[in-house]
Amino acid sequence: EVQLVESGGGLVQPGGSLRLSCAVSGFTFSSYAMSWVRQAPGKGLEWVSTISGSGSSTYYADSVKGRFTISRENSKNTLYLQMNSLRAEDTAVYHCAKETPPDYGRYEYWGQGTLVTVSS
Amino acid sequence: EIVLTQSPATLSLSPGEGATLSCRASQSVHSYLAWYQQKPGQAPRLLIYDASHRATGIPARFSGSGSGTDFTLTISSLEPEDFAVYYCQQRSNWPPFTFGPGTKVDIK
Repeated sequence: EVQLVESGGGLVQPGGSLRLSCAVSGFTFSSYAMSWVRQAPGKGLEWVSTISGSGSSTYYADSVKGRFTISRENSKNTLYLQMNSLRAEDTAVYHCAKETPPDYGRYEYWGQGTLVTVSS
Repeated sequence: EIVLTQSPATLSLSPGEGATLSCRASQSVHSYLAWYQQKPGQAPRLLIYDASHRATGIPARFSGSGSGTDFTLTISSLEPEDFAVYYCQQRSNWPPFTFGPGTKVDIK
């Protein structure tokens, strides 16, 4: 059974940093690209970032480029999102999602999400 | 960036009725459009991918159609568990992958 479990969310002040983790099981992690998708409270879905299975290719939304870094540790079956210079508008539930090959952008499996609140 | 527009914003229907949800793209996304269902406090659930292909385990009452810029999600007969928010999403021209603003299907 495929499982994705996020952690690391919490309350952080504007300008602060946070690292999210997504622990996965039930599939060969290194064979699949992974993504982060967020949802601000009461709002819609917003794609944040994608990383290839090997970790060699990464992609970012303009809203987070230069502030967020996606990475993965295939030996630990874990995906990360390092978030720096956080802003109030980054407040959201952050979901990790498993890409479905052969192309990117199809998310059949999602985690339940972790809430990030940016506030003073 | 491709912008997706969904209509209506809210659809009020009764169980057993059919539902037709629309998604329009600002430029052609070919057939690279997906539909997701989301219930409060839950992660999105993939229903339809590549415009018309049902995802694993999705009931046959859900169907998708369209290509280019105009797409439709049809629910043939609403079950109580179908009342939720539905999002369309394109993967044709990325980054970024973009989602529509959602259509809420609520109980009349």
